[in-house]
This record gives sequence, C-alpha cells and structure tokens, in this order.
Amino acid sequence: KAGVTQTPRYLIKTRGQQVTLSCSPISGHRSVSWYQQTPGQGLQFLFEYFSETQRNKGNFPGRFSGRQFSNSRSEMNVSTLELGDSALYLCASSLENTQYFGPGTRLTVL
Amino acid sequence: KNEVEQSPQNLTAQEGEFITINCSYSVGISALHWLQQHPGGGIVSLFMLSSGKKKHGRLIATINIQEKHSSLHITASHPRDSAVYICPMNFGNEKLTFGTGTRLTIIP
Repeated sequence: KAGVTQTPRYLIKTRGQQVTLSCSPISGHRSVSWYQQTPGQGLQFLFEYFSETQRNKGNFPGRFSGRQFSNSRSEMNVSTLELGDSALYLCASSLENTQYFGPGTRLTVL
Repeated sequence: KNEVEQSPQNLTAQEGEFITINCSYSVGISALHWLQQHPGGGIVSLFMLSSGKKKHGRLIATINIQEKHSSLHITASHPRDSAVYICPMNFGNEKLTFGTGTRLTIIP
C-alpha cells in the first residue's frame, strides 16, 4: 500500500501571499490530520477531517483552513502568509487511532 | 489541562548502549504513540499503546496507566537510531497532543 503523500515537498512564498498544500492519505483511511512543526513551538495540531467534515480543530487563527474531498484527499490553505508561518507542515492519515505521517511540506515565507 | 512531558530532552550515548526515553502525562489518555523523526522531517510511527507493552525489533514500548507514564527502550543502540523521539497522545479524540521530543544521538 502506498503511504501518505504530500505535495509539494518544498515551497517558498512571500509575506501576504496564500498557499495551498495537499495530502493524499493511505487508501481506505478516512481521517486526515494536519500538524505544524516549528523550532520554537514543536509539533502542534491544526485540524482533523473525517468524511469531508472538520472533526477537531487546534488553536490557530482563521487564516489556516482546510477541506477534505470525497476521496479523502485533503488540502490546507494559509492566507495572508506571515514570516512565522514558515514551518514543516505534516499530515497524517489514520485508521483505528494509529496515525501514519506523510513526509511533510516545508514552507518558507520570505 | 492535557500536558505531556518528555525526558530527557537530549541524550547522547555510545553505540550498543541501552536507551530509555520517558514520557509522562497529567490526565487520562485513550492512546499514546511513539514517533521517530529523522533529520529532514520524515516521521515514522513506531508504536501505538493503550496498555501494557509492545516490542518491534530492538524497540520496546511500555505504558503504566496508573502512573501515567510510558517508556521507549532501545536495545543495542546504533547510530541510525539517532533521531528525535516524540510521544503524542490522544486525550479521547483524534487530536494528538505532543511532547517536546527527545533528541537522541548515538555515537559510533
């Protein structure tokens, strides 16, 4: 079975722009979670989608949003990028409480 | 408040040593995970525990529900074990709460 895939792997944007990241879960997994990892804050939960519905949400501003499609693929969007949004964004798909992580998208905001 | 504490934050050991990394938490959990993150960011899920003990190769994970404590042990450590080890937990839902991580360095 293919693992969790994320695209793009690397991305450079400038302040004020917006960005969309994509995550394809393992086939059969219906839950997709997104995490942000920064050197200062470590790993933090962004949100979780299940069957196209946001089921859980972390403490991030409204500039961070996401969605899930009928094939369980998920996207997250960050609008009006700030320098502090530079991070590794990880998504994980899960089945029965075991999360499988993707390789991440490293976003750099200049 | 759901809090997760890991210790030590940094650990350096010689190849072949027995390694123990600890994780403690403040309130009841539904599941605890051990993750391994290598330089560059790739994360591998090692274990998911809700009770008892699990073993995979040289890795052993234990959890004591009463003491709210989990340990990850590595036997016969090897330089390729050098990574950051993280113990996120589920506090009743899919959302994971993360510890700060333990940076392990194994010296040949």
